[in-house]
Amino acid sequence: DVKVTQSSRYLVKRTGEKVFLECVQDMDHENMFWYRQDPGLGLRLIYFSYDVKMKEKGDIPEGYSVSREKKERFSLILESASTNQTSMYLCASGLAVQETQYFGPGTRLLVL
Amino acid sequence: EDQVTQSPEALRLQEGESSSLNCSYTVSGLRGLFWYRQDPGKGPEFLFTLYSAGEEKEKERLKATLTKKESFLHITAPKPEDSATYLCAAPSGNTGKLIFGQGTTLQVKP
Repeated sequence: DVKVTQSSRYLVKRTGEKVFLECVQDMDHENMFWYRQDPGLGLRLIYFSYDVKMKEKGDIPEGYSVSREKKERFSLILESASTNQTSMYLCASGLAVQETQYFGPGTRLLVL
Repeated sequence: EDQVTQSPEALRLQEGESSSLNCSYTVSGLRGLFWYRQDPGKGPEFLFTLYSAGEEKEKERLKATLTKKESFLHITAPKPEDSATYLCAAPSGNTGKLIFGQGTTLQVKP
């Protein structure tokens, strides 16, 4: 079975803090993705990576950065957290462009 | 612009009452239509991938079908444990980026 894990299920941070969210997949997938999910807005793509050290902006990259130093790990970084970044963050991985994406359990982030 | 639209937004069924969820799409060169189930506070769980019109896939009480314009998720004799939000999505462009519908929240009452 495909397994995608995320470093935390719940996080509470203060405005201005630097926040790291880590995602690990165990299926040797090329592609990894970070989404955020908000009520009424659905899932929106923040960043994705199709190879180690490669990254591409998604629809809402402002205020975020990413790092992919190893194939199995994809990190999302909030350089200076703000209250409008309170959300559910979902990581996904997939083998190829048109192949299924498998999601992790999500991290619910609250920024105070 | 590629778009995926789901209806209805919410659906309440009695246990055993069969129904269908709709996913309409306008995606250039469709390369897959994905269905996911999402429980509150959890990540989406993969259900099905459909690649071509006429294709059907089944899993327990769920059957997904695909036409050239839409996909249906048929739920036969649902049980309360089928209550969840069902999402459909399609890849857009060459990047693998998924375009998601807003989801249908299904509640099955005993």
